[in-house]
This record gives sequence, C-alpha cells and structure tokens, in this order.
Amino acid sequence: GQQLNQSPQSMFIQEGEDVSMNCTSSSIFNTWLWYKQDPGEGPVLLIALYKAGELTSNGRLTAQFGITRKDSFLNISASIPSDVGIYFCAGPRSNDYKLSFGAGTTVTVRA
Amino acid sequence: KAGVTQTPRYLIKTRGQQVTLSCSPISGHRSVSWYQQTPGQGLQFLFEYFSETQRNKGNFPGRFSGRQFSNSRSEMNVSTLELGDSALYLCASSLSIGELFFGEGSRLTVL
Repeated sequence: GQQLNQSPQSMFIQEGEDVSMNCTSSSIFNTWLWYKQDPGEGPVLLIALYKAGELTSNGRLTAQFGITRKDSFLNISASIPSDVGIYFCAGPRSNDYKLSFGAGTTVTVRA
Repeated sequence: KAGVTQTPRYLIKTRGQQVTLSCSPISGHRSVSWYQQTPGQGLQFLFEYFSETQRNKGNFPGRFSGRQFSNSRSEMNVSTLELGDSALYLCASSLSIGELFFGEGSRLTVL
C-alpha cells in the first residue's frame, strides 16, 4: 500500500522557536492532511490541502501541498507549550475513505 | 455539534476473551472508520463502513470484525484476544473523502 515517510521522528524545541516537519510519498496524493494527537486523545484535523502548490494557514500553523503531489510540510511558528503532541501527515487513497498515516513527529517544547 | 463518541474509554481483558467497542459518529456522517494505534505500528486501518456496508478492509485477521447500524453507529469486535491486540482503537467519522474526525479512542489492555 501507499507509504508515507514522515520526518523528523521527534524533536525538542525551545518555546518561541519555529518548527518544521515534512512528509513524502512514492505515490501521488490528491489530498494531504495534517493531524495532531494529544496524549490520551484521538487525532484532531489541523489542516487539509487539496491542490498542488496550495499553502494554507491555521493560526500559527502553515502547511503546503508539494508541487509534485508527493510531499507536504507543516510549519509551526513561535511554538508554545500546548504545541506538545504527535503530528501526523495523512492522505487518502485515490477514491476511498481509507487514510494512510505517517509514523508521526513527536514534538516536545522546552519552556 | 457533538463529536465522535467511543465507549468504553478503557478496558482490560484476558487472552482468549472477546471484546466489543462502540462508536457513535458525528450526526449526519455516514462513513465510519476504525483504526488501531500501537507504539510500534502507528495508525493502522481496520475497516470502513458506509450505509451499513463494509466498503474497505485493512490487513487484519478475521478475528477483527465490525458492523454499522442504520443510525450510522458502529461496533467493532475482536474475538480470541491476544496480547498483541493491546492498543488504542480509534473510530472516525467522515462526510467527505479524507477528512476524518476521530473519537478519543478505546484503550484495550489484554493480559
């Protein structure tokens, strides 16, 4: 099946720093999704991207759908303690509701 | 609008037993998907239901089964539990392809 390679696997950052993570695939995706999961909770959708080259923001979060349609990145600006969690990229197979997920990027913020 | 509700939140079973997990989707969402999340394997797709029909199935053994009712509520069942079935089981509902809204999950521990 389609595999999403997400990096980095984990990161420790200082409060106030900007964070960047990315996701690549050997297959083309028509939609890229970014989710965040807090401890003990289910993943929450942060940003959805539908068009190659699209750049979308949600507060301090910015995500881009790569031109090749095989990659996407997520930036978090001016990180704060509540940014702690696991961030997942995901994409649906071409015509159904099944999502493939990256392995996740664990973000830990040092105050 | 109420979110996706999963019950129970936590449960402990012993090997060989069976378990049933329940999911109530967001009102109006007819697609319900189930995922297994473990530290080693990440988020793995189990199956997806739409209008009481299983549309997609992941690569899990036949011990894992599910169903959807006419009100879109869904249940999943795991029979003959094994230690490796210990995981967070996440249900997600969706209105359109790709944008899944997850519940908080049911954490199953098999002893």
